[in-house]
Amino acid sequence: SQTIHQWPATLVQPVGSPLSLECTVEGTSNPNLYWYRQAAGRGLQLLFYSVGIGQISSEVPQNLSASRPQDRQFILSSKKLLLSDSGFYLCAWSPQGWEQFFGPGTRLTVL
Amino acid sequence: GQSLEQPSEVTAVEGAIVQINCTYQTSGFYGLSWYQQHDGGAPTFLSYNALDGLEETGRFSSFLSRSDSYGYLLLQELQMKDSASYFCAVNSGGYQKVTFGTGTKLQVIP
Repeated sequence: SQTIHQWPATLVQPVGSPLSLECTVEGTSNPNLYWYRQAAGRGLQLLFYSVGIGQISSEVPQNLSASRPQDRQFILSSKKLLLSDSGFYLCAWSPQGWEQFFGPGTRLTVL
Repeated sequence: GQSLEQPSEVTAVEGAIVQINCTYQTSGFYGLSWYQQHDGGAPTFLSYNALDGLEETGRFSSFLSRSDSYGYLLLQELQMKDSASYFCAVNSGGYQKVTFGTGTKLQVIP
């Protein structure tokens, strides 16, 4: 069976500090991978998606970036965090796009 | 771009039926999905409609009308555990790209 891991579960970072969130998928190959951000009480904002190694589509221009160094690894990064980067970050994988399986998420607070 | 509209909140009585509507505007539409998210948790997939009509999965059903750019999620025999947020999402511009609505918070009361 397939599983998706995200870490860390919670993170508190000062403004201006760097960020690295990691997501890995097990039990499948060549998945579509996604990063979402959810502000408190709000919907899911698609940040990046990837259909293969090194292939990243960015949906929202901002100070975040994503990389896919391996087939089942997806990394979200920032060089300098902003207060507005606070939120619930969710990684998801999908075999085809419409059925997405989400990881447990990372709650990021930027102070 | 893509936009989806859902009611922000719905309240229903345990054992009743509730319908959550979703209207969308998008180019290159492929299909409409529904997800459930409990407070503090991650979303879980409920259903997907690519063609017009009704899809039934247990107590949950989902409907799509492509000509009206409209869909709904129908929850029957409501249980307290159904209290959660429900999101519609569209696949557009390719199967891989997904845009979520703002979500409907369902409260089930005794």
